[in-house]
Amino acid sequence: ILNVEQSPQSLHVQEGDSTNFTCSFPSSNFYALHWYRWETAKSPEALFVMTLNGDEKKKGRISATLNTKEGYSYLYIKGSQPEDSATYLCAFIGAGNNRKLIWGLGTSLAVNP
Amino acid sequence: DSGVTQTPKHLITATGQRVTLRCSPRSGDLSVYWYQQSLDQGLQFLIHYYNGEERAKGNILERFSAQQFPDLHSELNLSSLELGDSALYFCASRLDRGPAFFGQGTRLTVV
Repeated sequence: ILNVEQSPQSLHVQEGDSTNFTCSFPSSNFYALHWYRWETAKSPEALFVMTLNGDEKKKGRISATLNTKEGYSYLYIKGSQPEDSATYLCAFIGAGNNRKLIWGLGTSLAVNP
Repeated sequence: DSGVTQTPKHLITATGQRVTLRCSPRSGDLSVYWYQQSLDQGLQFLIHYYNGEERAKGNILERFSAQQFPDLHSELNLSSLELGDSALYFCASRLDRGPAFFGQGTRLTVV
C-alpha cells in the first residue's frame, strides 16, 4: 500500500507570515509529484509538477522543493495573504503502467487578515 | 476554465434511482479519473480510465460503474442510490506526467 502523508493537517497563520508544509511519499519507484491548491467551492488546480530530484519550482510567492531519495516535498508560501487560504494537496505518481495519482489528505491553510 | 467539462452541475434524485454523470476531458488527454468528495472529506479516488481501458479502481462501490468511450469522454453510472451517496463527484483528465485538470464537479443530492 502506497501512502502519501501531508503535514500539518491544518494551519492558521497571520497575513504576512511565511509558512511551509510537507508531503511525504514512497522513495522508491518515483515518477512525479504534483502540488494542487483547492479553494472552497472550487475544484483543485495544479500548482507544480515535479519530476526530478532536487527540483525547485516557483510561482509568485509559492515555491516547492523535491527530494525523491528521502521521499519528501516542501511547499513554501512567503508572506501569506488571505487569498492563499485553501487546502493544498500533493499527489504522488509511481512508476508503472497505471500512473495512478495517489493523493495526500491535504493541508488546510487559513490566513487571517 | 480547465478544459474539462462535467454535466450536469447539480442533480437531485430519490433513493433507489440511477443516474449518469458525464465528463468530457481536455482535448488530447487520454486519462480520466473519477473522484468523490463527501462532506468534509478529501478526494476519494473511484476509478481511472486510460484511452478507453480501465486502469485502476479505488473505493468504488459495486453499485457504481464507469466507462470511457472511443471519443474519450467518460460516464460514471450510480445505481440503487442511497442517501450516503450524496457528494460532489469530480472528474479529472491528465496526459502522462502532466497535472490533472479537474472539472467543476457534479453535486449529487439523494433525497
